[in-house]
Amino acid sequence: SQQGEEDPQALSIQEGENATMNCSYKTSINNLQWYRQNSGRGLVHLILIRSNEREKHSGRLRVTLDTSKKSSSLLITASRAADTASYFCATRTYSGAGSYQLTFGKGTKLSVIP
Amino acid sequence: GAGVSQSPSNKVTEKGKDVELRCDPISGHTALYWYRQSLGQGLEFLIYFQGNSAPDKSGLPSDRFSAERTGGSVSTLTIQRTQQEDSAVYLCASSLNGGGATNYEQYFGPGTRLTVT
Repeated sequence: SQQGEEDPQALSIQEGENATMNCSYKTSINNLQWYRQNSGRGLVHLILIRSNEREKHSGRLRVTLDTSKKSSSLLITASRAADTASYFCATRTYSGAGSYQLTFGKGTKLSVIP
Repeated sequence: GAGVSQSPSNKVTEKGKDVELRCDPISGHTALYWYRQSLGQGLEFLIYFQGNSAPDKSGLPSDRFSAERTGGSVSTLTIQRTQQEDSAVYLCASSLNGGGATNYEQYFGPGTRLTVT
């Protein structure tokens, strides 16, 4: 079953606006990560937030984590056309025998209109 | 340095044929992961290697799917008797290490787009 579920599924904004994407998950996590994917190919790691952290910043990215609500949000400020991509949250959970699994949601497709 | 590479980038095959997909991880990365992404969907975990062993095969969808890793480096994902529902992008990722509480970022390859006709 899907661990991470993002919403909205699609988001269209004007260049310069902020974009907020949300992710909810079901089980306890070790950390939560956000990835970006262009054109349905390889993913690029954006930011990681650990389960004991509440907020993290990286450039124009801001991630929050609320473990009580099992949810996270990714905020991209001052969006640019180049930010157009699909964004996925991924939760890292212990899957047994010393193995950790990264489970991805279905993603939010962001379109930034110039 | 070189990133994760995958080959072929595209593969079209007839239903019932076997296919082999290859992944070259970043040198020195001990952990290697295979994922499958169907059109417009998220990533589905298939298998994880730590070195040459696969402690987690839980994601392989059927016994037609198998994977191996030799020399702690290159990995091959094999799909036997392909079906149309196998059509997807198959992504490989590697990380410095896979286990333990410390997370290591996964670096993804560009993927292999498999089309079964």
